[in-house]
Amino acid sequence: DTGVSQNPRHKITKRGQNVTFRCDPISEHNRLYWYRQTLGQGPEFLTYFQNEAQLEKSRLLSDRFSAERPKGSFSTLEIQRTEQGDSAMYLCASSPRVRGDGETQYFGPGTRLLVL
Amino acid sequence: AQKITQTQPGMFVQEKEAVTLDCTYDTSDPSYGLFWYKQPSSGEMIFLIYQGSYDQQNATEGRYSLNFQKARKSANLVISASQLGDSAMYFCAMRALFFGNEKLTFGTGTRLTIIP
Repeated sequence: DTGVSQNPRHKITKRGQNVTFRCDPISEHNRLYWYRQTLGQGPEFLTYFQNEAQLEKSRLLSDRFSAERPKGSFSTLEIQRTEQGDSAMYLCASSPRVRGDGETQYFGPGTRLLVL
Repeated sequence: AQKITQTQPGMFVQEKEAVTLDCTYDTSDPSYGLFWYKQPSSGEMIFLIYQGSYDQQNATEGRYSLNFQKARKSANLVISASQLGDSAMYFCAMRALFFGNEKLTFGTGTRLTIIP
């Protein structure tokens, strides 16, 4: 079973540009999550999908951020008009349809974004 | 709302010694789960151990054990016989266990360095 994959692994962009990240969850995992991790901090929850439905969004997810999971498989996270404060690691995670309380979210390697 | 506090920004431990990483939490939810993750320099969050608030016994997973003291709201991670490969960031996290809640709340982490 392959793990969660994220592309690209690194992205450098100029302020004001748009960027899009992709996450491929573990096969048959119906839940998918996005987190943001800034330097020296733990991950912060951004949003969560169950199949193709976006069920929760953090207030951290400003209007410039949009996430989609159109077919209930892979997901994309787009940031429009990037700002230097968007520089962070963006982590994706997935979890299975049937699980116990102790089932973890399985994390990908992250996409590290640097906005110049 | 949940809050996780990790007061040790960094720790240095001699190889083969045991180490305790501190974690305290705050929540008003009656049922919750506590998780520990390891994040090596590659960035991926690796699940280590889980403790449910309703569990009577402390969780153990190989060299990892969780010292859960519910009255003190602490969930310390104990690593026995530390190895060089244990050098990484360690994050404590929690999730309130009510229907529909998928959000993990993380602490700021502890950087553990194992000295040969």
